[in-house]
Amino acid sequence: KAGVTQTPRYLIKTRGQQVTLSCSPISGHRSVSWYQQTPGQGLQFLFEYFSETQRNKGNFPGRFSGRQFSNSRSEMNVSTLELGDSALYLCASSFPGSEQYFGPGTRLTVT
Amino acid sequence: QQQVKQSPQSLIVQKGGISIINCAYENTAFDYFPWYQQFPGKGPALLIAIRPDVSEKKEGRFTISFNKSAKQFSLHIMDSQPGDSATYFCAASRGDYKLSFGAGTTVTVRA
Repeated sequence: KAGVTQTPRYLIKTRGQQVTLSCSPISGHRSVSWYQQTPGQGLQFLFEYFSETQRNKGNFPGRFSGRQFSNSRSEMNVSTLELGDSALYLCASSFPGSEQYFGPGTRLTVT
Repeated sequence: QQQVKQSPQSLIVQKGGISIINCAYENTAFDYFPWYQQFPGKGPALLIAIRPDVSEKKEGRFTISFNKSAKQFSLHIMDSQPGDSATYFCAASRGDYKLSFGAGTTVTVRA
């Protein structure tokens, strides 16, 4: 069974731009969560989607948003990028109430 | 506010030795405690998880010990191998989503 896939794997953007990251969950998984990983703040929860609805949201500004499609694929968007948004963005998928499996992440660099 | 505190930040162990990583949490509503292993350039991989109705769980060389009254749990890696050199994260959640992660422990196994 294929794992969680994330595209693109690497991205370089300029301050003020916006970016969209994509996540394809493991087949059959309907819950998708997003996390931000930085050396300073560690792994932090961004939001979680189930059946195209956001069920949980972490403490991030409104510039961070996401959505989920009917096939469970998910995207997250960051608008008006700041230098501090440079991070590894991780997507995790799961059946409801079961373990989360992470993808390889998208490395975003903001210059 | 970090909800899960992890120690030590790093440790070095000889091949065949035991690695011990400790975590403490405050939120008594947490009911799911997974451990993840992360190699450079990869996403976190689920290693082992425990729920508070058991005090210990073993899978191969990896054992979780859980102390509900002390609100602490730990990971023991027995017979440590060079391939175990990685960063380990403890986490906690209420249900199986919105994981709160510890800061991570970098384990180095010397051959």
